[in-house]
Amino acid sequence: ETGVTQTPRHLVMGMTNKKSLKCEQHLGHNAMYWYKQSAKKPLELMFVYNFKEQTENNSVPSRFSPECPNSSHLFLHLHTLQPEDSALYLCASSDIRTSYNEQFFGPGTRLTVL
Amino acid sequence: DQQVKQNSPSLSVQEGRISILNCDYTNSMFDYFLWYKKYPAEGPTFLISISSIKDKNEDGRFTVFLNKSAKHLSLHIVPSQPGDSAVYFCAASGNTDKLIFGTGTRLQVFP
Repeated sequence: ETGVTQTPRHLVMGMTNKKSLKCEQHLGHNAMYWYKQSAKKPLELMFVYNFKEQTENNSVPSRFSPECPNSSHLFLHLHTLQPEDSALYLCASSDIRTSYNEQFFGPGTRLTVL
Repeated sequence: DQQVKQNSPSLSVQEGRISILNCDYTNSMFDYFLWYKKYPAEGPTFLISISSIKDKNEDGRFTVFLNKSAKHLSLHIVPSQPGDSAVYFCAASGNTDKLIFGTGTRLQVFP
């Protein structure tokens, strides 16, 4: 595997379900990100982890819970979601030791909440 | 309030001609700008970037221009090819680990 991978690629869940999204980066990066992309909206940054430590929580509801066990893996745990949470969830990684923030994205998980 | 704006949701260009995608920003603290390209069912891929100390950066068919006084940047693709058809996102950074994205412009290059 190369680059940034995400599983599953598609997920349909009910509002009472609990599920997790997984992201893995194979680039040796030290920062990982979760973004949400809704239709006709900009990519919205949700969470940032630098060297496994969360440095940003962009006012995300607590029904989204991130976990970063190491610098290569990032999870997004989902519970009691709402239909408006249906979106494309993108994971990205970067090397914050370089001067600027060129982030590499995974293919995303298309989430549908019924 | 949206800090990075792409006011054209779509653009249609004939193959071989120039494509110009525009982006405006409001935050004068932004000092690094990036363009990403996104195909359907894939994540965005980094295309080209520019630092605020420059006004132009060129990479093959792709050139990004930055006008700091106008808080405006543009991406030029010459010549445009059908494989360039995608959604293009502008993003800005203020020397932090946060990227602020625009809403994207869908480019269609037709034969």
